[in-house]
Amino acid sequence: DVKVTQSSRYLVKRTGEKVFLECVQDMDHENMFWYRQDPGLGLRLIYFSYDVKMKEKGDIPEGYSVSREKKERFSLILESASTNQTSMYLCASSIRYEQYFGPGTRLTVT
Amino acid sequence: AQTVTQSQPEMSVQEAETVTLSCTYDTSESDYYLFWYKQPPSRQMILVIRQEAYKQQNATENRFSVNFQKAAKSFSLKISDSQLGDAAMYFCAYRSPNTGNQFYFGTGTSLTVIP
Repeated sequence: DVKVTQSSRYLVKRTGEKVFLECVQDMDHENMFWYRQDPGLGLRLIYFSYDVKMKEKGDIPEGYSVSREKKERFSLILESASTNQTSMYLCASSIRYEQYFGPGTRLTVT
Repeated sequence: AQTVTQSQPEMSVQEAETVTLSCTYDTSESDYYLFWYKQPPSRQMILVIRQEAYKQQNATENRFSVNFQKAAKSFSLKISDSQLGDAAMYFCAYRSPNTGNQFYFGTGTSLTVIP
């Protein structure tokens, strides 16, 4: 079975802090994604990566950056967290035409 | 960008009954994939069913089936013999082979199963 793990289930950070969200997949998938999930808005793509050191902006990249130094790991970085970044963050990996999701990180910025 | 619309924010169904969740999408492409994902409360999102646009036959997975109407750009999910474990948020998703593996999701339908 494909396994996608995220470093934290719950995270509380202060405004202005630098925040790292880590995602690891164990199936050698080339493509990895970071989504933000908010009620009534569904899943919105922040960034995705189709290879090591490669990244593409999604629909809402502002305020975020990503890093993919190894194939299995895709990190989402909030350079200076703000309260409007309080949300559920979902990581996913895919091969061919299916996505596999991690359990999500619920981030609260106070 | 492709858009995916789920017009039913909430639905409910009696246990053992059948419910249909609606999804429409907008695209100019002829070849693509459609998905239904399930997200149970506080649990991981999982794939329920997948449909390739080039296939005319509707996909089925046990109690889950789809009604794929390509001309109408409609992709509904039917859950038969609903069970308490079917209670979840359901997301419809579209994937184009032409946009770098990007998936587009609807806003979700929250399904309640009434005992």
